[in-house]
Amino acid sequence: EPEVTQTPSHQVTQMGQEVILRCVPISNHLYFYWYRQILGQKVEFLVSFYNNEISEKSEIFDDQFSVERPDGSNFTLKIRSTKLEDSAMYFCASRTGPGAGYTFGSGTRLTVV
Amino acid sequence: QKEVEQNSGPLSVPEGAIASLNCTYSDRGSQSFFWYRQYSGKSPELIMSIYSNGDKEDGRFTAQLNKASQYVSLLIRDSQPSDSATYLCAVTGYQKVTFGIGTKLQVIP
Repeated sequence: EPEVTQTPSHQVTQMGQEVILRCVPISNHLYFYWYRQILGQKVEFLVSFYNNEISEKSEIFDDQFSVERPDGSNFTLKIRSTKLEDSAMYFCASRTGPGAGYTFGSGTRLTVV
Repeated sequence: QKEVEQNSGPLSVPEGAIASLNCTYSDRGSQSFFWYRQYSGKSPELIMSIYSNGDKEDGRFTAQLNKASQYVSLLIRDSQPSDSATYLCAVTGYQKVTFGIGTKLQVIP
């Protein structure tokens, strides 16, 4: 069963530091996403990426956030200057096309201290 | 604002019973509807997709869609303790998928 791979599984960082979360989507998927889930809350949309550009982003995805697909396989989420409220589980997801269900990665638990 | 509403629960059912999970959505343009299962501390796992009105069965799971009422449901027959998890309703109109808060299901042995 193809899977979406995320690294690291857990990252602890100091407030104000930059973090990069990494994802390898399923190889024949064309649409890529980042979501986050604060403990006990909804899975919230951050950004969608298609054809090497952002197709949609949420209000959460401000100037502190960026995404890249640097080499055709990895898909990264960068947070430039982390805040305490960025502490959450971050999920990468991919799918074959619009209307299809997502396959999620196992997530990165980000703890900002 | 596109909303997906679910009762957060917990919904407790005895082992072997039918669990019924419900969801409503606000965007009439929604085209695809999903149920995900999420165990505590884990990522969501897709268990059912439904695209047209009516019922869709897969093993012990049946998804039901009524677009006129903007209502999606999931029935789990012969519930097992291993079904204890949070069930997320998710909806898309070919852009991003929007998730509900999830209903926590507890199956009591």
